[in-house]
Amino acid sequence: NAGVTQTPKFQVLKTGQSMTLQCAQDMNHNSMYWYRQDPGMGLRLIYYSASEGTTDKGEVPNGYNVSRLNKREFSLRLESAAPSQTSVYFCASSGVRGVEVSGNTIYFGEGSWLTVV
Amino acid sequence: QKEVEQDPGPLSVPEGAIVSLNCTYSNSAFQYFMWYRQYSRKGPELLMYTYSSGNKEDGRFTAQVDKSSKYISLFIRDSQPSDSATYLCAMRGELYNFNKFYFGSGTKLNVKP
Repeated sequence: NAGVTQTPKFQVLKTGQSMTLQCAQDMNHNSMYWYRQDPGMGLRLIYYSASEGTTDKGEVPNGYNVSRLNKREFSLRLESAAPSQTSVYFCASSGVRGVEVSGNTIYFGEGSWLTVV
Repeated sequence: QKEVEQDPGPLSVPEGAIVSLNCTYSNSAFQYFMWYRQYSRKGPELLMYTYSSGNKEDGRFTAQVDKSSKYISLFIRDSQPSDSATYLCAMRGELYNFNKFYFGSGTKLNVKP
């Protein structure tokens, strides 16, 4: 049981390049999330998917797109990377609403460190 | 004003000390409260989870929720160097914005041997 798996772990991009961060969970969770974490800013929600087939914007969606490929997978795409997108990105998931504990908490992947030069 | 406030620290204590970490919040709709531990260059891992008010104990860790004061705490007894990490509080509503989690910015803890 791997939990939430993200790839790649590290990536360096040049300004204007595109890339996709991949995320998969094996906990049969309904909801999936993408956050970025910056010093002094905490975790900020980029996009989330409450269930397969739906996606919604979070606090900082500009410059990103997402795809909920199936129940397990939720990818984050940077179409034209900018230095301001240098950050650590975390994928997370949460279970069925009301199910203790997985439905009321959130589980994170190990993170993807992205540098845009 | 942020919905969840947490002192960023850093907090430095000697090994064996009792550590108290705290968060305040403004939204009375929050019902689920969590503490996460995040080691350097790792993802946050769930440490404690409580529903509504009260205390919960797990080994050396105790989580307290005081909904009347909108205040949650995490106590670590007999702190160890391995407890050195950043601790994040998190919460969510039962009906209010259920799909969203609200996080504190994290308190960095250093336990000195």
